[in-house]
Amino acid sequence: NAGVTQTPKFQVLKTGQSMTLQCAQDMNHNSMYWYRQDPGMGLRLIYYSASEGTTDKGEVPNGYNVSRLNKREFSLRLESAAPSQTSVYFCASSSSRTGVFYEQYFGPGTRLTVT
Amino acid sequence: RKEVEQDPGPFNVPEGATVAFNCTYSNSASQSFFWYRQDCRKEPKLLMSVYSSGNEDGRFTAQLNRASQYISLLIRDSKLSDSATYLCVVNPWLTGGGNKLTFGTGTQLKVEL
Repeated sequence: NAGVTQTPKFQVLKTGQSMTLQCAQDMNHNSMYWYRQDPGMGLRLIYYSASEGTTDKGEVPNGYNVSRLNKREFSLRLESAAPSQTSVYFCASSSSRTGVFYEQYFGPGTRLTVT
Repeated sequence: RKEVEQDPGPFNVPEGATVAFNCTYSNSASQSFFWYRQDCRKEPKLLMSVYSSGNEDGRFTAQLNRASQYISLLIRDSKLSDSATYLCVVNPWLTGGGNKLTFGTGTQLKVEL
């Protein structure tokens, strides 16, 4: 099993350009997440999808949109990239059931630079 | 005040040493607590969960003090391969599907010969 995969691994954008980060998991998990990681800030949740067909905002959703395409795939879109969105983006997935914690499995990350 | 606070380090220790990290959290209603490990330029991976009674996994021991709202991680007999950043992670509540985690900024450990 590949676990959680992300594409691309690296990307450089100019301010104002758009792009979509792709994420897929093959573990049959219900829940998927997008985080960004910046020096000194820790991982911050951008958006999450508790189950197929639902998405919710996390801590830092401004400037991003998401699509839960099916149970396997959860994409993150930057409509008009800004230098403040330079970061490392991680996708994660987990099983889910009310009142129970399940480990989150992370993808390898996408390193995005906006100039 | 940050929701989860950690000493960023780095902690530089010789191989074989014992090292301890602490982490404090601000939300007294937090339900679940974890330590994740992140190697340089890699994704985070779950190291261990932290239970109220304390728990041990080989050389690693985790403790939770709810009254003081802090979590600790003790690593005994440090190995070179333990060099990484250790992330303190709190699950503020158990939602109906989807676990939203709050991450600390991490404590960097460097184990040296």
